[in-house]
Parts: sequence; structure tokens; C-alpha cells
Amino acid sequence: NAGVTQTPKFQVLKTGQSMTLQCAQDMNHNSMYWYRQDPGMGLRLIYYSASEGTTDKGEVPNGYNVSRLNKREFSLRLESAAPSQTSVYFCASSANYRGQSGYTFGSGTRLTVV
Amino acid sequence: AQTVTQSQPEMSVQEAETVTLSCTYDTSESDYYLFWYKQPPSRQMILVIRQEAYKQQNATENRFSVNFQKAAKSFSLKISDSQLGDAAMYFCARIGVDSNYQLIWGAGTKLIIKP
Repeated sequence: NAGVTQTPKFQVLKTGQSMTLQCAQDMNHNSMYWYRQDPGMGLRLIYYSASEGTTDKGEVPNGYNVSRLNKREFSLRLESAAPSQTSVYFCASSANYRGQSGYTFGSGTRLTVV
Repeated sequence: AQTVTQSQPEMSVQEAETVTLSCTYDTSESDYYLFWYKQPPSRQMILVIRQEAYKQQNATENRFSVNFQKAAKSFSLKISDSQLGDAAMYFCARIGVDSNYQLIWGAGTKLIIKP
């Protein structure tokens, strides 16, 4: 079982470049999430999708956009990367928006913006 | 304010011994869920254990167990017979209606296992 698959695993961008982080889950989960994790800190929610067709801002949405392409896929786009967006990005999914069973996480994308 | 506090930035334990990681939280709700996640150096976030607040019985998963004190808003993780593979960052998290069903995370505790 793949669970949550994120691509790429590593990426280096120049300031101002754009890129899309891809995420797919094969657990038939309804809800999906994008987090960032900075050194020495916990996870901060960027955007989430409670169900297919909906997206909402989290704690730190500025500089990002998302697309819930279908039930399986939830992408995160950086339109004009900035050094402050250097971080590790995690995609996660849960069975439903209440998240009572916990989240399943992807293995993360380490993004460096120079 | 909705907060999850892990007061121990780092803990160390001898292999095969028992260690307890602390977590406290703040909420006025009675129905919520609590989680411990493990993040090894591979950086994969792994769910270790979950607790439903309306259940008084403490959750257990093999060598991992919790001490859930609802009145004290405390949710500690006990790891018995510590193994080298337990070395990781451990994050405590809570979810509930007051967080709009978003996970609220603690800052993490780094667990070091001494061989």
C-alpha cells in the first residue's frame, strides 16, 4: 500500500521561480492537507481540502495556491518562490474532515529557495 | 488559546528502559482526539497512538501507552523497553471542534536512545 505519495522529494529553486508539489493518496480519504515544517518547529497548516471540490486556507497560506484535482490528488503551487519558503513540505490525508482517526503523511519534500 | 505544550525539548533514555514524554493542552471542549506522532531522521511522520477524550481507558499500542488525565489536560506518552529505533522527534497533537477540526501541534520532543 502506497498511502500518501509526494513528488518530488527534493527541489532547489531560484527566487521567483514557480513549481508545483504533487500529492496523491490511495486510501479513498476525503480530506487532504498541506503542511510546512521549519527547523525546530512543529507543522504549520498551509491549505486543506475537507472534501473533493473544496479548499480552505490554513495558518500560513500566503504565497501558495492549491488544487484538489480529484479525490486522490491535491497539489500545492508556489507561484513566485521566496527564500522564506525554504522548508520541508508534507502532504497528509484523513478519512474525513474531523480527522479523528489521525492523518496519514507523505514522506515530505525538502524545498530550498536560493 | 488553543495550545499544545511539550515542555521537554529533549529527553534521553538508556536502551531497554522506560521513558515518559509530557504533553499538556488547552481546550474548553469535552470531545476531542489526541495523538502522538513520531518523526525519525527519515522525516516520515508516523502515527504512534491516538486517544479519544470521551474514553477514560488509556490507549496502548504494544510498547507505547498513554497516561490521559482529562481534568488536568495532560496526555503523556510512555515508551517501555526503549529500542534504538525509537530515536526520533515525538509530536503531540490535538483535534476538535474548537480547532475547526485542524490538528494543533506541540513543538516536539527529541528522544535520544543511549545504547
